[in-house]
Amino acid sequence: DVKVTQSSRYLVKRTGEKVFLECVQDMDHENMFWYRQDPGLGLRLIYFSYDVKMKEKGDIPEGYSVSREKKERFSLILESASTNQTSMYLCASSPRVRRERYVSLHFGNGTRLTVT
Amino acid sequence: GNSVTQMEGPVTLSEEAFLTINCTYTATGYPSLFWYVQYPGEGLQLLLKATKADDKGSNKGFEATYRKETTSFHLEKGSVQVSDSAVYFCALRNWGNKLVFGAGTILRVKS
Repeated sequence: DVKVTQSSRYLVKRTGEKVFLECVQDMDHENMFWYRQDPGLGLRLIYFSYDVKMKEKGDIPEGYSVSREKKERFSLILESASTNQTSMYLCASSPRVRRERYVSLHFGNGTRLTVT
Repeated sequence: GNSVTQMEGPVTLSEEAFLTINCTYTATGYPSLFWYVQYPGEGLQLLLKATKADDKGSNKGFEATYRKETTSFHLEKGSVQVSDSAVYFCALRNWGNKLVFGAGTILRVKS
């Protein structure tokens, strides 16, 4: 069974701090994703990566960056945290296949970040 | 562009009631459609999916049929249980690798 592990369930940070959210998957998936979940807005894609050192902007990349130095690990970085980044962050992975639209994503349990 | 619209919640039902959660989509081409469920304190789990028109996805008593003519993928269950209380997300995946989600629908089932 695919396991996607997010290092923290809850984080509380101060405005202006640099924040790292870590995600590790154990199924050798090529694709990894970071989503943000807010009530009434569903999940919105921040960044995704289809290979080591590769990244693509999603729908809401402003204020975030990512790092993928190893295939199994995908980090989300908030360079200078702000209160409007208080949210639930979800990491996901999927394999690279010929028809990727047929394949679902595997999600971690999420990190609830509060910026005060 | 691609988008998904779900019925607003919360939906509150008594145990053994019939459930429908509406989902419609906008997309070019032939997307795949998914329902995910999120139980309290957990991440999203795939509930069911359909990859082409008229396909029916089913799992754990839930069903949804991919209707291209009405661009819909409504989730149904004949008899809900308290343990079905969760947030349900409709989503589509098209060319370009991204999974696009609806806003989610909270389901509350009372005993």
